[in-house]
Amino acid sequence: QKEVEQDPGPLSVPEGAIVSLNCTYSNSAFQYFMWYRQYSRKGPELLMYTYSSGNKEDGRFTAQVDKSSKYISLFIRDSQPSDSATYLCAMTTSGSARQLTFGSGTQLTVLP
Amino acid sequence: DAGVTQSPTHLIKTRGQQVTLRCSPKSGHDTVSWYQQALGQGPQFIFQYYEEEERQRGNFPDRFSGHQFPNYSSELNVNALLLGDSALYLCASSLELAGGISHEQYFGPGTRLTVT
Repeated sequence: QKEVEQDPGPLSVPEGAIVSLNCTYSNSAFQYFMWYRQYSRKGPELLMYTYSSGNKEDGRFTAQVDKSSKYISLFIRDSQPSDSATYLCAMTTSGSARQLTFGSGTQLTVLP
Repeated sequence: DAGVTQSPTHLIKTRGQQVTLRCSPKSGHDTVSWYQQALGQGPQFIFQYYEEEERQRGNFPDRFSGHQFPNYSSELNVNALLLGDSALYLCASSLELAGGISHEQYFGPGTRLTVT
């Protein structure tokens, strides 16, 4: 079993829809949670970064972390065709551990 | 503000050969991590360099080695290439803060390696 599970999709939505992307994890030591966006043949771009449980909002993006359920989410409001990409969740422990553990990514297409 | 840069963009090698990939971190960053991303998968951590030393290593064989230079740039070397080494190799940089590392890692565009 992988430490981080992410539904690979593909997920296709109409423009303007609310998108929900999710990851589950098994390592309770994970404390820092990130969402990256990766366009085809490009490097991942950091979208959101949160620590421990709670919500964080940045424009059309909201990240949620529920440590009790080992479940994180990324919501995209008013989705745009330019949001079409692969979304990767990543997480790491506090302290001396510094490597990011990624999910396999969810491919999202927003149709105009 | 220059972001993370990597070279070359693409590379084609033959099984058994050796390859060197290069990375320059984001301006002001001092820590470099390397990841391997197979097609359709998330990046897998290879190792991280700080103060010119390998600080942490993922589950990769000794064929994978690296180096960090005084200007914080880094190289990834892979010896005895296998077909399974074909992947996108990503470099990420971050800044070591007092009391621990900044967990915000910024990625470069990657080097796509094809082994034939």
